[in-house]
Amino acid sequence: DTAVSQTPKYLVTQMGNDKSIKCEQNLGHDTMYWYKQDSKKFLKIMFSYNNKELIINETVPNRFSPKSPDKAHLNLHINSLELGDSAVYFCASSRDRGTEAFFGQGTRLTVV
Amino acid sequence: AQSVSQHNHHVILSEAASLELGCNYSYGGTVNLFWYVQYPGQHLQLLLKYFSGDPLVKGIKGFEAEFIKSKFSFNLRKPSVQWSDTAEYFCAVNAVAAGNKLTFGGGTRVLVKP
Repeated sequence: DTAVSQTPKYLVTQMGNDKSIKCEQNLGHDTMYWYKQDSKKFLKIMFSYNNKELIINETVPNRFSPKSPDKAHLNLHINSLELGDSAVYFCASSRDRGTEAFFGQGTRLTVV
Repeated sequence: AQSVSQHNHHVILSEAASLELGCNYSYGGTVNLFWYVQYPGQHLQLLLKYFSGDPLVKGIKGFEAEFIKSKFSFNLRKPSVQWSDTAEYFCAVNAVAAGNKLTFGGGTRVLVKP
């Protein structure tokens, strides 16, 4: 069983489109995250939710909107995609804030 | 602001050589420390973690790390690397007083030559 699963794994889309990435964890964790990994492998946190509540919202364009329908899911919706949004997006979860995070396989987003 | 620094961006070494990767963080107070590994094309996996207790922690695949509080460091070591250790290594810090935001260092790319 995959602990943290993201879909899709690859996403190629044109500038200006709106797209969503879904994430689900079956670990029973309370906290979920979205990270962006750029072409230089730098990992930057974007959002964190704890029990469906937003607790971390980094300096991310408001074209990015996370949604957590329940504590097992944290989806990421991106409006008006730009070339600079191309990256690998990782979803992660942890038992609670401060404990180790378990990562999904990543979604490679390419904006053309 | 909390920051995590990994001094080496790229490391190239031969099989059986010893590996040490540096990690320093800037935040005081209680911290939880982690090392993650990312094999080519894969997601991040936890190598080891430190929360409290013995500052020398052992992880998977023969890795260990030492927490030196006075130096704000958490260096990763492996006595003898294998070709399969080729990967990107990330140090991460979670500072309780900073809202438990898991912050990653810039990563170190390790290439082990057979």
